[in-house]
Amino acid sequence: DAKTTQPPSMDCAEGRAANLPCNHSTISGNEYVYWYRQIHSQGPQYIIHGLKNNETNEMASLIITEDRKSSTLILPHATLRDTAVYYCIVSGTGKLIFGQGTTLQVKP
Amino acid sequence: IAGITQAPTSQILAAGRRMTLRCTQDMRHNAMYWYRQDLGLGLRLIHYSNTAGTTGKGEVPDGYSVSRANTDDFPLTLASAVPSQTSVYFCASSKEGRGWPQHFGDGTRLSIL
Repeated sequence: DAKTTQPPSMDCAEGRAANLPCNHSTISGNEYVYWYRQIHSQGPQYIIHGLKNNETNEMASLIITEDRKSSTLILPHATLRDTAVYYCIVSGTGKLIFGQGTTLQVKP
Repeated sequence: IAGITQAPTSQILAAGRRMTLRCTQDMRHNAMYWYRQDLGLGLRLIHYSNTAGTTGKGEVPDGYSVSRANTDDFPLTLASAVPSQTSVYFCASSKEGRGWPQHFGDGTRLSIL
């Protein structure tokens, strides 16, 4: 599975959009991009995933570049409860390899 | 409420003892997974099962065994616990493997003394 690179930390003002970037330049054609988050020491929570097209659900939007080498997770209106570690994972097998993720701090 | 149940929630165990962590899901998912998470680190895959009757090794399988006798249950066994297995253990499941999201349990906090 391809490796991903994420910034270690980001801040976002409450009510603003949070845009979390992820680089996956070695992604293969059959590999999906998944986003999860982990709040405190709870179990990871699935957010969204996609293969080629942009995706949107009730939690977030996923924007994948045309060459698929990078993606952005967008939380449209961040709240304090969105403070968490966000993991971008690329996988073609279903097995997930978690990196260090991005710690998002939403501030009042 | 459908989901994944892990037991126990936490456990303190003497080194050398045998321990089985339980994981049950009621979503009829085919694939199940066990991860461990150590302080300040991301999750690492221990073992997985794509369907009942099959299992596979993940990144860090040594010292652990699993079985998948039916769809719902995926127990993780530490045959002889060692202090380095002190960790938080998460079980997850997905409808299938590739292309499906994984849903995680609340974890088991295990301390080996």
